[in-house]
Amino acid sequence: DIVMTQSPDSLAVSLGERATINCKSSQSVLYSSNNKNYLAWYQQQLGQPPKLLISWASTRESGVPDRFSGSGSGTDFTLTVSSLQAEDVAIYYCQQYYTTPYTFGQGTKLEIK
Amino acid sequence: QVQLQQWGAGLLKPSETLSLTCAVYGGSFSGYHWNWIRQSPGQGLEWIGEINHSGSTNYKPSLKSRISISEDTSKNQFSLKLTSVTAADTAVYYCALARDGFDIWGQGTMVTVSS
Repeated sequence: DIVMTQSPDSLAVSLGERATINCKSSQSVLYSSNNKNYLAWYQQQLGQPPKLLISWASTRESGVPDRFSGSGSGTDFTLTVSSLQAEDVAIYYCQQYYTTPYTFGQGTKLEIK
Repeated sequence: QVQLQQWGAGLLKPSETLSLTCAVYGGSFSGYHWNWIRQSPGQGLEWIGEINHSGSTNYKPSLKSRISISEDTSKNQFSLKLTSVTAADTAVYYCALARDGFDIWGQGTMVTVSS
């Protein structure tokens, strides 16, 4: 199985400041034939199912605010919230869909400082 | 816009069979991968299996002996069965559509296994 490891486990950031969450996979999730990273980011708010924010490591889903961005390739990825808003308080997960069993990171809890 | 609505028994005794169904509304059932994911209380997300457009399945290896995912294309539904449940299977179970990542999720069903 591909192990996904996120850091940090929790993060407190002031409103309007930048939040950065890292995700590392135990093997590359870059498919060489199409040069795509099979890596997604999700936001889960309390009592809700996860919401897909970013696919293919850096493609923002329709309707997701542009303060959310994803970057990275191969085994190292980053989710950045450029200017934290109150509604961004949530748990964030990375996930690889390169191969089954699809696996998620353990989650990063993002809070307001 | 595709929506998923799921249902099934929420309270089971150890050794019983978990059975959940997910209905697909507002989109084609064919051509995609339909998944089940669970989340134990206070824990992270665990993918447990999928069925694809050709009816082929993939399961999490540790659950393979107990899990079955099937589809009913005439009803635009797919289902999960997990046999011989234990307390470790207590979780919120989600169905999800996978296109680019898991982009559409059901509302979740809390399943509790308790004697």
